[in-house]
This record gives sequence, structure tokens and C-alpha cells, in this order.
Amino acid sequence: EDQVTQSPEALRLQEGESSSLNCSYTVSGLRGLFWYRQDPGKGPEFLFTLYSAGEEKEKERLKATLTKKESFLHITAPKPEDSATYLCAVQVGNPGKLIFGQGTTLQVKP
Amino acid sequence: DARVTQTPRDKVTEMGQEVTMRCQPILGHNTVFWYRQTMMQGLELLAYFRNRAPLDDSGMPKDRFSAEMPDATLATLKIQPSEPRDSAVYFCASGFEFSYEQYFGPGTRLTVT
Repeated sequence: EDQVTQSPEALRLQEGESSSLNCSYTVSGLRGLFWYRQDPGKGPEFLFTLYSAGEEKEKERLKATLTKKESFLHITAPKPEDSATYLCAVQVGNPGKLIFGQGTTLQVKP
Repeated sequence: DARVTQTPRDKVTEMGQEVTMRCQPILGHNTVFWYRQTMMQGLELLAYFRNRAPLDDSGMPKDRFSAEMPDATLATLKIQPSEPRDSAVYFCASGFEFSYEQYFGPGTRLTVT
């Protein structure tokens, strides 16, 4: 069974304290791995797509990496505005069908 | 700034009533997805369309849920009759099939009492 697991469930950081979020997956035929950010009361906002092991993508303080079994979202020197829930999803089988993890809720304190 | 729009944003209804949620995908996108989000289950795919044709609705309770795309600018999700367990936030997302990226709307928060 295709499965996506994110850890930790919740993470509290001080402003400037770098850390990483983990997304591990067991799927057959990975087509792509996606990271989204979700703010309370809003829809998920697309951040990155990774397609192959070794690939990395960056956007401001965020960097996403991919291996054959997991992906990391590294947050460098986070700010309070980075507080949100970060969702990982994998695309398998039919084009467009995403399987989401449960998310990591990040809180960055000033 | 192209965005997916959804109406209504909030809906409170009584058990047994029909509920219709609407979505306007981003102009030019040819894939549309319906998701449901709850605390317990997270985000679950209910159905999706490509070029207005339904491709997969295996995540949807068939006896009470139906999804359609009357035209390229409108997708609808109907629940009839609604039940308290249907209470959730329903998201619509759209994308272009060759990029696989999906862009989400703001969601419809449904409460069935």
C-alpha cells in the first residue's frame, strides 16, 4: 500500500534556529514528490516538485531534497512568518493522483 | 493573479439536505481535483477530471456524492443527502496535466448538523 509519513507532527523553533522536516514514502512508481505550505483557514500553497533522487530545489529560506526513500524540507534561519503546516505529497499511478502525508505544523517564535 | 475560486466559503446545513459546492479553476488548466480535509484523515482525493472528463472518483462515496464539470470554467461537487460525517473542508485544485502541479482554492467549510 502506498504510504506517506511526515515527521515530526509538530515543531517549535526559535527565530533563526534552522531545522529539517522529514517526509518518508513507500510507493510503487513514484512520479513526483510535492511540498505544500498551508496556513490556517487557507488552501495548500504549492512550494516545490522533485522528480528524481538527488534533486534539490530552493526558495528563500526553504530547500527541498529527495532520496529514494524520503524527502527533507530544510528551513534555514526561520522567521515567524514561516509558521504554517507543511504538507508532503507523492504522485503515483494515474497522472494527478496525489497521496498526502498528515503534515508537520511548524511554529517559529520571535 | 490567477487563482482557483470556490463558493460558498462556509456552509452550515441540516442532515438530509442537499449541498452543492462550486469551483472555478484557473483559466487554461485542464485538470480539476476535489479533496476533502479533516483532522483525522488529512487531505483525501475524492475525484478528478481531465479536459472535463472524470478520470478517477474512487475516493468518493458513490451513493451520496457526485462530481461534474458542466463546462471548462465550472466544477461542482454535490452531496445528497448530507450526513454529519460529511463535515469537513472541501478543496478544489486545478493544474495542467503535463506539469503535475496542483493549485488549490480557499476551500468550502461544510458543517452538517
